[in-house]
Amino acid sequence: KQEVTQIPAALSVPEGENLVLNCSFTDSAIYNLQWFRQDPGKGLTSLLLIQSSQREQTSGRLNASLDKSSGRSTLYIAASQPGDSATYLCAVTPRSGGYQKVTFGTGTKLQVIP
Amino acid sequence: EPEVTQTPSHQVTQMGQEVILRCVPISNHLYFYWYRQILGQKVEFLVSFYNNEISEKSEIFDDQFSVERPDGSNFTLKIRSTKLEDSAMYFCASRVTENTEAFFGQGTRLTVV
Repeated sequence: KQEVTQIPAALSVPEGENLVLNCSFTDSAIYNLQWFRQDPGKGLTSLLLIQSSQREQTSGRLNASLDKSSGRSTLYIAASQPGDSATYLCAVTPRSGGYQKVTFGTGTKLQVIP
Repeated sequence: EPEVTQTPSHQVTQMGQEVILRCVPISNHLYFYWYRQILGQKVEFLVSFYNNEISEKSEIFDDQFSVERPDGSNFTLKIRSTKLEDSAMYFCASRVTENTEAFFGQGTRLTVV
């Protein structure tokens, strides 16, 4: 059974700092990995999608990497801003098992202090 | 940009009542899902739907739950007799194929009183 873990559970940084969020998964047989952002009480906004054949994806100040063999992904946020404060979720779509449901991690709650 | 649409955004219901949560997936998508998130907890898989039938369901998805795609555009989740512990945010998702990006709706917050 696929398990997805995110460390740290919470992170507080001063504005302008670069930061890294970590995600690990137990089964490397995945189709892809997605990073989402969730604001309090709100929905899930997809940030980046990395296919299993890719090593990284970039969107603006965000860069996500994938090391499938070790079961790890990182989300790098450059020059953090207070508006980046949210919970960040990683999620994998496994190749094995059922109809490729997305399995979510536990999330990292980020606070960027002005 | 196409998006998954969910209605209502918030629903309050009395314990024991039936509720139907509605979703309009992206039009060319073939795989549909429901997830839920109890306040402060992980996003949990409920059910997946493909080719007009349930393809997988979790242990949460018991006989009180059902899904339907009544026409070519809507995808619904019905809870027959709501319990207090059904209070959660419910997310609908869709994707074109199993290895493409999953798009999520903004969720329906269900409050059972």
